[in-house]
Amino acid sequence: GIQVEQSPPDLILQEGANSTLRCNFSDSVNNLQWFHQNPWGQLINLFYIPSGTKQNGRLSATTVATERYSLLYISSSQTTDSGVYFCAVGSGGYNKLIFGAGTRLAVHP
Amino acid sequence: ETGVTQTPRHLVMGMTNKKSLKCEQHLGHNAMYWYKQSAKKPLELMFVYNFKEQTENNSVPSRFSPECPNSSHLFLHLHTLQPEDSALYLCASSHEGLAGTHEQFFGPGTRLTVL
Repeated sequence: GIQVEQSPPDLILQEGANSTLRCNFSDSVNNLQWFHQNPWGQLINLFYIPSGTKQNGRLSATTVATERYSLLYISSSQTTDSGVYFCAVGSGGYNKLIFGAGTRLAVHP
Repeated sequence: ETGVTQTPRHLVMGMTNKKSLKCEQHLGHNAMYWYKQSAKKPLELMFVYNFKEQTENNSVPSRFSPECPNSSHLFLHLHTLQPEDSALYLCASSHEGLAGTHEQFFGPGTRLTVL
């Protein structure tokens, strides 16, 4: 099956710093989503981005489907950005999301 | 209520108990999913229902029994669970159509502890 690798596994930032999270996947996909999991376990949708570039406030994402990777950019990080960021890809007839292991981000004041 | 809701949010049960998790989506979607998140493993898909029909069972043990009575409701019936089944169980929904697959939205999860 399709493999999803996220890097780095852990990231520690000072408030105000910028960061880039990476997601590599092993096969062609018809869906790619980025999520932020808060401390209570809720998965919050950040981007639905099977290809191209999107921006939402301080966050932006780029997926290069032909090269099988996606990047999530966080600018001017805040303590509320802390948590785990997941990349998930979908392939096949129905939207079976395959999740990466996540990047655990800690933003310190 | 908006989005995807799940009840209960926390559940503690013994290995001989029978309990059910409930999920409801208020988004007009036609596909619903159960995922499991264990402490040591990535989020993994358990079941997929599309138009109330089960289209995926990801080799889940029979002690987990899903039910989808309509496109808005999804249940996960639990019986004779093991301590290793303790995990966060997440429900999701999406709209699936001829144009292709669509974005999934998740509920807040049920944190299950099996004693």
